[in-house]
Amino acid sequence: GAGVSQSPRYKVAKRGQDVALRCDPISGHVSLFWYQQALGQGPEFLTYFQNEAQLDKSGLPSDRFFAERPEGSVSTLKIQRTQQEDSAVYLCASSLGELEYNEQFFGPGTRLTVL
Amino acid sequence: DAKTTQPNSMESNEEEPVHLPCNHSTISGTDYIHWYRQLPSQGPEYVIHGLTSNVNNRMASLAIAEDRKSSTLILHRATLRDAAVYYCILRRLSGSARQLTFGSGTQLTVLP
Repeated sequence: GAGVSQSPRYKVAKRGQDVALRCDPISGHVSLFWYQQALGQGPEFLTYFQNEAQLDKSGLPSDRFFAERPEGSVSTLKIQRTQQEDSAVYLCASSLGELEYNEQFFGPGTRLTVL
Repeated sequence: DAKTTQPNSMESNEEEPVHLPCNHSTISGTDYIHWYRQLPSQGPEYVIHGLTSNVNNRMASLAIAEDRKSSTLILHRATLRDAAVYYCILRRLSGSARQLTFGSGTQLTVLP
């Protein structure tokens, strides 16, 4: 069956450009998460949606980062005025419910390189 | 969430069992123990989880100490495809946080 998909898989941006990263979760999954993974590190939480509501954005590193999920399915992570320190793999995950022991299904990630 | 401690790296020979340890001495009674793994160039994938009793599934077994302060992920016969970073994660029931908190994990190398 279809898993979580992310696009693009790779993105190269010049410093100062805006980028938009897309996540297509598994159909029917209520919860959606964005994580950032720097090279050689474990993923770090950015933000969480339950349906269309953004319930937690405590992990967003600055106000240049913005995420939305307007219809409760597809989500977009937008980074404005990209900086070199934004270079990382951005992972999206979805889960069926909102319970803490629900399995999260991850996409393959988008590797962002800011030159 | 409570903190977990894992070795940075481990090696195993192909087709031999692998025991990946995790210490979580500050675990609370409502913390679930989850394991995820991340293969090279892929997103993490769920492996197994448990609360108090040992658990088995098609991928692995999870052995939980009686005091719950440590646990061990067991791969019964390692294959080259099991080479990955393995993360031990605690998730609190009814906590406000829904996200996974990853540490640095254990890099498992499987030798042919």
